[in-house]
Formats: sequence, structure tokens, C-alpha cells
Amino acid sequence: DGGITQSPKYLFRKEGQNVTLSCEQNLNHDAMYWYRQDPGQGLRLIYYSQIVNDFQKGDIAEGYSVSREKKESFPLTVTSAQKNPTAFYLCASSIEGKGRSEQYFGPGTRLTVT
Amino acid sequence: ILNVEQSPQSLHVQEGDSTNFTCSFPSSNFYALHWYRWETAKSPEALFVMTLNGDEKKKGRISATLNTKEGYSYLYIKGSQPEDSATYLCASNPVDTGRRALTFGSGTRLQVQP
Repeated sequence: DGGITQSPKYLFRKEGQNVTLSCEQNLNHDAMYWYRQDPGQGLRLIYYSQIVNDFQKGDIAEGYSVSREKKESFPLTVTSAQKNPTAFYLCASSIEGKGRSEQYFGPGTRLTVT
Repeated sequence: ILNVEQSPQSLHVQEGDSTNFTCSFPSSNFYALHWYRWETAKSPEALFVMTLNGDEKKKGRISATLNTKEGYSYLYIKGSQPEDSATYLCASNPVDTGRRALTFGSGTRLQVQP
């Protein structure tokens, strides 16, 4: 079955620790995205990648980092510099990254930092 | 940042009612408009991707229209059913800004009472 997997579903960390969220897709999509959702808000773009070895900052990239070394994988690291890391994180992919292809979403990771 | 606005924020209807909600976006440099349905405990799923002014798309009881000149799209649900209960997200992106990723609205949360 083709799709996007994110792991883990729930993640707990202590303040000051970096944490990496996994996102893998086997859809052979070129573009991948990371979004954050907070209560009462829509999806906000953190980073996106249109192609392997390339990525761009989204609207709220501060305190986050990504890599895109393989087409299938787009891990997101939440660093200790992110002031409010507790949130629901969604990864998505699309065939191309120009905005006319529908995005496919993973199940999400809920991160709690205390 | 492109502002994508959705209204209403939430909506309660009775089973069998028809309903509609609005997505507005800056009309300059329009490129594409997406609609997604996000059911509780699931991932967002694409409903429509629309690119042409006057475009109308339909999937079962759900349809959408697009007016790129005035910058709005309507989503219609005919004869709402309890399984239509979800948050409906729209997203858009302008062309020629270098930004190829979508900006999402905050969604319309629909509750259909049996």
C-alpha cells in the first residue's frame, strides 16, 4: 500500500532536548512538506522540499531544521530553540511541488514538551 | 504571507440540510485553490484542486466553485449526512512569488446532527 508514515504517533520530551520526527513516503512524490497545527488554528507551513537535496523555509521555520537526503524521507528536527514546540505535526507529499497537485498527508505526530 | 480566510468557523446542521461555506484568497497572481476534508482521528484528504476561473467540480454530494477574479471559492454539501462531519480546509498559493507551497485557511468545522 502506498502512503505516508509518520512515527511515533505520540512523543514526549523534556524542555531543552532536540527531537526528530520521522516522515517516510513510498508514493514516489518529489515534494514533501511539514505543517504544524495548534488548537483553533489552521495548518502552518514549517518547511517544504520540492526535490531531493533541496528545501525551503515556510512561515514558521525558526527553531526547526530538516534534511532531504532521500526522496522517500523528510525528517523534521525540533530544536531547543523552538519556543513553543508542543503541537500536532503533519507531514505531506505531492507529485510535484508547484502547488497544483493534491497533497497526501500522514497520520501526524503529537509532540508534548514539558 | 498569503491570507486565506474561511467562513464560518463552525457550522451545525441537521441531517438532510444542504450547506455551503466560503474560502477567500487574494486574487492577484492566483495559481491554484485546494479543498481538503479532515475527519477527526484521520489525515486530511484532498477533495478538489481548482485552477480555472469559473471552474466547478463535483464529488458525490459535494461540489465547489471558483471565482479567481474576486478571490473566492464556495464548497457546497447537498443533503448533509453525519459522515460529512469534519473540518473543511481550503488552501491557495500565488504564482511568481517563488513560494511554491500552499497557505491554508483555518478551516470550517461542520457538525451534522442525525
